[in-house]
Amino acid sequence: LAKTTQPISMDSYEGQEVNITCSHNNIATNDYITWYQQFPSQGPRFIIQGYKTKVTNEVASLFIPADRKSSTLSLPRVSLSDTAVYYCLVGDPQDTGRRALTFGSGTRLQVQP
Amino acid sequence: EAQVTQNPRYLITVTGKKLTVTCSQNMNHEYMSWYRQDPGLGLRQIYYSMNVEVTDKGDVPEGYKVSRKEKRNFPLILESPSPNQTSLYFCASSEGAFSSYEQYFGPGTRLTVT
Repeated sequence: LAKTTQPISMDSYEGQEVNITCSHNNIATNDYITWYQQFPSQGPRFIIQGYKTKVTNEVASLFIPADRKSSTLSLPRVSLSDTAVYYCLVGDPQDTGRRALTFGSGTRLQVQP
Repeated sequence: EAQVTQNPRYLITVTGKKLTVTCSQNMNHEYMSWYRQDPGLGLRQIYYSMNVEVTDKGDVPEGYKVSRKEKRNFPLILESPSPNQTSLYFCASSEGAFSSYEQYFGPGTRLTVT
């Protein structure tokens, strides 16, 4: 099964840039890399998605190197409301018909004032 | 409003008493799935469905059943719940089965089995 690895937790202060890296050594050729944000007792919600190079939206940037074995979510100038768990998601490279999705364990980001 | 709904939101039950958690989406999505979330273990997929009458196991299917008789509904069935199934459960849906499709999650169902 596809496996993603992320840091368990990170701490930051308001106004700083936060970079969270996800390792996905066995990503499939067709799979995108998607990041989700989850607040306590809520379902995850989509933040950003990319296939290669760099993607930017109003919330974050996503950097993906050429080998696509990792990706980095960048949150510019975080605020207290960015305190959440962040997950990266890829598909299953051994999936030859099955379409299971595997989330990592997530990175718990704590933003301090 | 596009949404995924789950019921009940909270459930306390006893070992062995069959229960069903319902999930419904109003976005005409083909792909639906169930996840459980436990402290330190992140989100783990239980079962998924690529379309009506097409279901398959995720990472942790033991002790669970699902059915997909209608496109909008994807109930999770625990035939004989055990305490190790105490968890927070999320249903999700998306247009398609690949990771490139945005997953829409329900609000979660907190299940306690005593």
